[in-house]
Formats: sequence, structure tokens, C-alpha cells
Amino acid sequence: ETGVTQSPTHLIKTRGQQVTLRCSSQSGHNTVSWYQQALGQGPQFIFQYYREEENGRGNFPPRFSGLQFPNYSSELNVNALELDDSALYLCASSSPLAGGREKLFFGSGTQLSVL
Amino acid sequence: GESVGLHLPTLSVQEGDNSIINCAYSNSASDYFIWYKQESGKGPQFIIDIRSNMDKRQGQRVTVLLNKTVKHLSLQIAATQPGDSAVYFCAESQDDKIIFGKGTRLHILP
Repeated sequence: ETGVTQSPTHLIKTRGQQVTLRCSSQSGHNTVSWYQQALGQGPQFIFQYYREEENGRGNFPPRFSGLQFPNYSSELNVNALELDDSALYLCASSSPLAGGREKLFFGSGTQLSVL
Repeated sequence: GESVGLHLPTLSVQEGDNSIINCAYSNSASDYFIWYKQESGKGPQFIIDIRSNMDKRQGQRVTVLLNKTVKHLSLQIAATQPGDSAVYFCAESQDDKIIFGKGTRLHILP
């Protein structure tokens, strides 16, 4: 088990609503990456945060936004939810001093269902 | 728990046999590659990695082979066990961001 925790584990929303997902990184890890995993697919990179700033973004619209806090925890916010946003959202932490920023430790994810 | 990989390619292997999972990557400039294992209801778990200056790396019961000429990566699992049943993803580093490929479901036959 990694030390990455995500909340909530499951969430049901309706189309047009907004959602906030939370992630606590493993102790000492200062980089957080967010991924979206649709059913039957590999995780798709959303964005990465390093020292509270966005440090790279995948092909996701601006209604996907994030934050990183001084304690390195992070939030993923999605506005104007669409049915296709239904997926497992994964958070991963890493550190240049613990295997490198590329060595990701994943949480168990938040399963979001949009109705 | 979460069920992923319903439409993924499946590899069925007899318990005790060796498993070989293959992956083609996209970017010839990638210099770091990782294999992840994802069990139902869990996030991906790091298995083994390899840098582009190597062509083979061994771990406990696992070996990763890298062929840069044809942009091909493989994961070999020795003496496959029921606990190896999962979806396996290869991933590559692009600008320090990890990009996942399509997964393969490994099914263990008793």
C-alpha cells in the first residue's frame, strides 16, 4: 500500500454540477499528478502540481482545474460535469528525492459517476 | 470493487508458467519506461522500470526488456501465480510526465 489517500472513494453527481476531489500525498512527496481512467482504458494524464504550481497539463479542457497546498495535498475540481466525465480519478505523488518525480505512487482513486 | 479493463486484450497463462506481456511505445525520445500492475479496485502499482541506456532489467520474478530500435517493451513474469492476475500497463516518460499505454489483462488458469 502507498501512503497516498484519496477522498471520497465514490461520488455520484448530475450533469452540470461541480465536483472537488481530494488527495493527500505520501509523506515527503512534493509532486502530485492527477489521472482520469475511463472504464477499459489506461489512465490519462490531466495535470501535475509541483510546489503549489501547475507543472504540465494533458489534453483536458479548462473546466478541469486543480490546487496544491503547502502541505503538498491537492484538489481536482471539475466544473459543468458531463456524462463522459464518469471515470476513476487517480492521484499519484512523487518526489525528486524519492526515486524521482517520474516514479509515481498511486492512491486507490475516486470513482465518479455523472448521471 | 472497481472493474477495469473490460475491453482490454487478455493474456491467459497456466499457473506456474512464464508470462510475457508486450507493449509498443510511441515516442522515440522517451528515456524512461515503467510497468504498472492494477488490481481490481486499486490504483496502479509500480512493478519495475528501465532507462533507455539499458536493454534489460531484472527484479523479483519480473524482467523488463527494452528494444529501442522497434520501440518495444516487454514484461516477463516468471512462475506466474494467482496473485499476478491483474491489468498490466506500460508507461513512458514524456517531459517528466508519465503517459500510460493500453493495458493487458493477465488471466491465470488453474
